[in-house]
Amino acid sequence: AQTVTQSQPEMSVQEAETVTLSCTYDTSESDYYLFWYKQPPSRQMILVIRQEAYKQQNATENRFSVNFQKAAKSFSLKISDSQLGDAAMYFCAYRSFYGVDGGSQGNLIFGKGTKLSVKP
Amino acid sequence: DSGVTQTPKHLITATGQRVTLRCSPRSGDLSVYWYQQSLDQGLQFLIQYYNGEERAKGNILERFSAQQFPDLHSELNLSSLELGDSALYFCASSVGVGSSYEQYFGPGTRLTVT
Repeated sequence: AQTVTQSQPEMSVQEAETVTLSCTYDTSESDYYLFWYKQPPSRQMILVIRQEAYKQQNATENRFSVNFQKAAKSFSLKISDSQLGDAAMYFCAYRSFYGVDGGSQGNLIFGKGTKLSVKP
Repeated sequence: DSGVTQTPKHLITATGQRVTLRCSPRSGDLSVYWYQQSLDQGLQFLIQYYNGEERAKGNILERFSAQQFPDLHSELNLSSLELGDSALYFCASSVGVGSSYEQYFGPGTRLTVT
């Protein structure tokens, strides 16, 4: 079974600075998807960024970028020019390319999350 | 706004009771996923439906059941409720069942069991 580990329960960053959130995962699959979701105090789950394992290029979305190290099974999120609105829980998630029975089901497997605080 | 709606937003009930949570997927989405977020277990997948049929099961208790109706809305039924069932329950929808399809999350239903 696949597992996702976020080893930093809490992180803090100064406004306008850069912060990196860590995520490692365990899988025997070669094809899969990785995601970072943001959950602000409103509790809404918001997709931040997505990475396909077969793509070597790291995904970027404006101030958000990832460092995907497939061999090391590492998937960190870098937030540049941090803003007060970035304060939230961040969840790393894994999704198989294929389901357990060979079919594609696509449920997400989440890490425990990292609570990010942004200091003004 | 993801386009996924969940009702009610909040639900407070007593142990031993039964509740029904409702989810309406985005227009055009055929697949619905249910997730539970609790302090103890974190975010975990419960069950998935596609076009009315159950497709995958996760860590769903036997006291819990779900279904997807012909109009594609889904209901999650929780019975014989225990204190430990207090959690935020999310519904997510996607166009298809394959893993390449994006999942869009609803705002969640906060269940409190007293």
